Amino acid sequence: EPEVTQTPSHQVTQMGQEVILRCVPISNHLYFYWYRQILGQKVEFLVSFYNNEISEKSEIFDDQFSVERPDGSNFTLKIRSTKLEDSAMYFCASSTGTGPTGELFFGEGSRLTVL
Amino acid sequence: AQSVAQPEDQVNVAEGNPLTVKCTYSVSGNPYLFWYVQYPNRGLQFLLKYITGDNLVKGSYGFEAEFNKSQTSFHLKKPSALVSDSALYFCAVRGPSGNTGKLIFGQGTTLQVKP
Repeated sequence: EPEVTQTPSHQVTQMGQEVILRCVPISNHLYFYWYRQILGQKVEFLVSFYNNEISEKSEIFDDQFSVERPDGSNFTLKIRSTKLEDSAMYFCASSTGTGPTGELFFGEGSRLTVL
Repeated sequence: AQSVAQPEDQVNVAEGNPLTVKCTYSVSGNPYLFWYVQYPNRGLQFLLKYITGDNLVKGSYGFEAEFNKSQTSFHLKKPSALVSDSALYFCAVRGPSGNTGKLIFGQGTTLQVKP
């Protein structure tokens, strides 16, 4: 069964460092998303991406964050200068985009720890 | 604005007993509702969705959910709980952007099934 894959599974970084989280969405999917979850709490929307541009972003997704689809398979989330409060589990998701009824398929997540 | 609420932080049930995890929603327009499950240190797995039609929706692992328009609820149910059902459950609603839009998640309910 096709799945969304994410790397790394866990990254530890120092405050102020840049971090890139990588995702390979399901191959025929057209819509891509990043979510984050702090310590098993609520799953918060960060950004959605379609047709090589951001289609929607939340207040959390400030200038420190960026997303990119550098080739036909990868979808990356970059945090330019990490803060302690960026420590969270980051989930990538994708969907076929066949209308509002489609579910999102999530990866296993990348745990980011900022020291 | 679209939102969902899960009024219980935790639900405890004995193995073999029926379980219910509650969710209420608030939407403008048609409600597109979803349930996801998250096992410890894992990503979110899709369980089921309500789009239209039959108010009782069947999903994975023997779960079902009942859509109730008058009570604006979408409760998750299972006739006989298993210890392996113990996990974090999230109700979600499609955001107002429709097919390009995000899923908005509730705060999650921890289900604990005791042997």
